[in-house]
Amino acid sequence: GAVVSQHPSWVICKSGTSVKIECRSLDFQATTMFWYRQFPKQSLMLMATSNEGSKATYEQGVEKDKFLINHASLTLSTLTVTSAHPEDSSFYICSARDGVNTEAFFGQGTRLTVV
Amino acid sequence: QKEVEQNSGPLSVPEGAIASLNCTYSDRGSQSFFWYRQYSGKSPELIMSIYSNGDKEDGRFTAQLNKASQYVSLLIRDSQPSDSATYLCAVNRKAAGNKLTFGGGTRVLVKP
Repeated sequence: GAVVSQHPSWVICKSGTSVKIECRSLDFQATTMFWYRQFPKQSLMLMATSNEGSKATYEQGVEKDKFLINHASLTLSTLTVTSAHPEDSSFYICSARDGVNTEAFFGQGTRLTVV
Repeated sequence: QKEVEQNSGPLSVPEGAIASLNCTYSDRGSQSFFWYRQYSGKSPELIMSIYSNGDKEDGRFTAQLNKASQYVSLLIRDSQPSDSATYLCAVNRKAAGNKLTFGGGTRVLVKP
């Protein structure tokens, strides 16, 4: 399958600081990227959908000013958690696909811990 | 009704047996369907994709799709302890702007 690389795989930050997570499609052009959050023993929760060159579409209840998503190129999307707090600690995962109905491939995920 | 529903399990299966997982979806206009496997603490990995009615086989995995009944299933033959994981059904929902929607997942435990 196609390769999606997510970086960093884990990060610890202080409360009040911002953290940027990168998601890259290495061998295909990702027209759409998805960002998910997953708490322990819970299912994936879609946070937002981003299409290259467009503003991200956020799910209900997700603060767009807190979770900044940029999809500036066909191979890179970033998620910035601004003014992070301990309740933002979670497993953040991106996925990417190159078409409307095609398979989506996941990055390795980023485990964020806010202390 | 949830857009994509799965039995949360756990589904306990003896080693070597067949594991059968089911998934139902509500959006009749959905066109593409996927099964992912997720090990604890890891991100999901794609196992199968299916787009038309019928069966699709890949190694020990068989996906079955019935659009009229709005269900998709996954069979795992000759189950191995390494198959123990959570299996996620995902549906590309046309009514939601082709958003990929996941079910809650079914946890499978394969016992030696």
